[in-house]
Amino acid sequence: DAGVIQSPRHEVTEMGQEVTLRCKPISGHDYLFWYRQTMMRGLELLIYFNNNVPIDDSGMPEDRFSAKMPNASFSTLKIQPSEPRDSAVYFCASSLPGTGVETQYFGPGTRLLVL
Amino acid sequence: KQEVTQIPAALSVPEGENLVLNCSFTDSAIYNLQWFRQDPGKGLTSLLLIQSSQREQTSGRLNASLDKSSGRSTLYIAASQPGDSATYLCAARFMEYGNKLVFGAGTILRVKS
Repeated sequence: DAGVIQSPRHEVTEMGQEVTLRCKPISGHDYLFWYRQTMMRGLELLIYFNNNVPIDDSGMPEDRFSAKMPNASFSTLKIQPSEPRDSAVYFCASSLPGTGVETQYFGPGTRLLVL
Repeated sequence: KQEVTQIPAALSVPEGENLVLNCSFTDSAIYNLQWFRQDPGKGLTSLLLIQSSQREQTSGRLNASLDKSSGRSTLYIAASQPGDSATYLCAARFMEYGNKLVFGAGTILRVKS
């Protein structure tokens, strides 16, 4: 299995631009999580899905952030418009069915820099 | 707000030394506590998961303990090796938050050869 796949791995954009991050979870996993990691705030959960349905989006910082999961094999995290303070590493993770949120497999992350 | 704290923030030890990483959490009402490893530029890899009813878990040279009453967990690494150099994070699943993991800031470990 290829593991959780994220794209792009690096993104540099200018303030005000739209940014879309993509995630392909491990096949058969039924939970999908989006995290953000910064030096100041550490690793924070933004949103998670169960069977493609958003369950908890309380960690989404602002309305500028949105996430979708149109099917079991694809999710996006969109920032529109982007701001310099959104610069961070964004991780996607998925977990096995029946194991809940404990057995999370993380992707390699997308390093975002907003100028 | 429930929080997880890790000390020290960074640790440098010579190869072969045994070491302990500390994690504290603000509420004893947890489902479990988990230790992760993060290598530079990579995602997190789960090392050990301790359920609330357990006192410790072991995997190879790693041993994690849990004391819910004091809100503490430790990760013990025996006979450290340069390949153990990484950032180690602990995460608690608080009952108050349901399915959300709350992560500590991590301990950056460097094992010198």
